[in-house]
Amino acid sequence: AQSVAQPEDQVNVAEGNPLTVKCTYSVSGNPYLFWYVQYPNRGLQFLLKYITGDNLVKGSYGFEAEFNKSQTSFHLKKPSALVSDSALYFCAVRDMRRYGGSQGNLIFGKGTKLSVKP
Amino acid sequence: DTEVTQTPKHLVMGMTNKKSLKCEQHMGHRAMYWYKQKAKKPPELMFVYSYEKLSINESVPSRFSPECPNSSLLNLHLHALQPEDSALYLCASSQTRSEQYFGPGTRLTVT
Repeated sequence: AQSVAQPEDQVNVAEGNPLTVKCTYSVSGNPYLFWYVQYPNRGLQFLLKYITGDNLVKGSYGFEAEFNKSQTSFHLKKPSALVSDSALYFCAVRDMRRYGGSQGNLIFGKGTKLSVKP
Repeated sequence: DTEVTQTPKHLVMGMTNKKSLKCEQHMGHRAMYWYKQKAKKPPELMFVYSYEKLSINESVPSRFSPECPNSSLLNLHLHALQPEDSALYLCASSQTRSEQYFGPGTRLTVT
């Protein structure tokens, strides 16, 4: 079965400190991995993706993620957190089962609330 | 332009009403999606359209009826909803097999 786990319900960080939001996955075959951010009462915003290539992926707003195949992890990181980074973060993996002609469906983790304090 | 628009932003409807949610994208994406999201939970996939044809229906009750009039538009027709259907309804689009871009959502309240 394909799945994504975000082991932390909430992560608290002081402004200016580095942040990490954890994600592990379980898929058959090569994973297509994504991170999204959701601000209150808003839709999800795409941050970054890993399909193939370099294990360190850089995305929007200074975020990056490291793909680790041996640990089946795709942790989201940022060197210096901002108060404005406070939001709900979702890790997702592409559902590789075939449904007709579309394989773009996502399996989401439960989400991690990031709180950055001044 | 990576914008997906949704109307209305908020909707309050009674259990006997009929209403529609609308979604539009002009990115040339050929896959479009409807999700339902409860507070502080991940989005739950409802329907997927691929090349304007319904390719996935995740066992959604028939009181939700999707429609894809053309490659840029996606509608969700609502009829005889229940209070537990109150949620944020999100539309998304993607090039098939690529990342999805989400709209801001419609906050639906069923009274």
